[in-house]
Order: sequence, then structure tokens, then C-alpha cells
Amino acid sequence: SQTIHQWPATLVQPVGSPLSLECTVEGTSNPNLYWYRQAAGRGLQLLFYSIGIDQISSEVPQNLSASRPQDRQFILSSKKLLLSDSGFYLCAGTTGVGNSPLHFGNGTRLTVT
Amino acid sequence: AQTVTQSQPEMSVQEAETVTLSCTYDTSESDYYLFWYKQPPSRQMILVIRQEAYKQQNATENRFSVNFQKAAKSFSLKISDSQLGDAAMYFCAYRSGASYDKVIFGPGTSLSVIP
Repeated sequence: SQTIHQWPATLVQPVGSPLSLECTVEGTSNPNLYWYRQAAGRGLQLLFYSIGIDQISSEVPQNLSASRPQDRQFILSSKKLLLSDSGFYLCAGTTGVGNSPLHFGNGTRLTVT
Repeated sequence: AQTVTQSQPEMSVQEAETVTLSCTYDTSESDYYLFWYKQPPSRQMILVIRQEAYKQQNATENRFSVNFQKAAKSFSLKISDSQLGDAAMYFCAYRSGASYDKVIFGPGTSLSVIP
């Protein structure tokens, strides 16, 4: 079955610094991949999703970007972090089959100071 | 655009009792998939149950079952014989059957289980 590897687990970064969160997939090829952000006690906000290499769709315009340089690699980046970027970031993947559920990584807790 | 609503931010249930969590969604599509996920304090997302819109029969998984009302666009989760380990955030999610790309989530319901 599909496994999502996501790192780091925790990150503290100063305002204005760059960001790179990496997510890799094991156990399936050509997955759909997703980045979600979750504020404390809140729901999951879809940030980006990708159906293939270099195919990225953005849901929320902001200072974050995503890239998919390889089939099983999905990267979330920022050139300059804002305080409002703090949150819990989850990478998820699924196959192209409709009832296939999302498989999630363990998440990254990002604190921007 | 599709939306998912969970109108109960918090719920509580007595251990061994039954609780129902509500979810409604808005879509113009006829083909789609619905999911319930659980997020315990560890924050790991765990699939609880899934339902295909083309199936009339409600899905069940052990103590978990759904009441899927397609015309009303409602997808509630029933937890029977509640256990302390059921305490978590519960999220309802929608996946389009047309494009299989976006998966959107509701705002969640925090469930407490009272011993």
C-alpha cells in the first residue's frame, strides 16, 4: 500500500526566511499529491494538488509555491515566510481511482517567529 | 465549486453510547466519493469509512456506519458503542468523480468521549 514520507516533523523559522518541505511517496506510481495546512483546532485547507510531474494546481494564492520534480516527490516552498504561515502542514497522496482514500504523512509543525 | 460543511464544532458522548456526526456538502456533480477521517491528538489522519455516491447502500465498518442521503446531500457518521479511543477530530471529505483530483474537507467536529 501507499506510504507518505514527510519531513521535517517540526520546524521553527524566522520571518523572512525560506522554506522547503519535502514529501515522497512509496508504494505506488503516478499518484495524485496534495499539500494541506491545518491551523490549530481547525480543518484542512487545500493549498496545492498535483496529478503529475510539473502539473500543479494552486487553491490559495499566497507566498507559498509547490513543485513536483519527480513522480513521487512533492515539495512545498516559500521564498520569505510570514507569521501567518505558521501551522501544521500535511502531505497526502492517492491513486487515480475515485474511492481510493488519501494516505497522509505525519505532518510538519511549522512555527514562524 | 464544491463545499463541505460540518455544523457541529464539538460533540460529546458517554462511553458505550451512540453518537452521530453531521456532514452536508454542496455539489452539482452526480458522481463523487465521500469519506470520514479521524484525527486523534497524535494528528495522524486515519480513514474511518468511505461511500461511493452511486451506491444506495450505506457503508459500514464495524462500529462505524454512515447515513448517506444523496438527494439531501447529507453524509452523517454514526459511532456505536463509543470507546475512549474514539475521542478525536472527525473530518468529512469530498472527492469529485469527474476529475479525481481535488479532495476537500469540512471544518471538523471534535468528539469527546466521557467515561
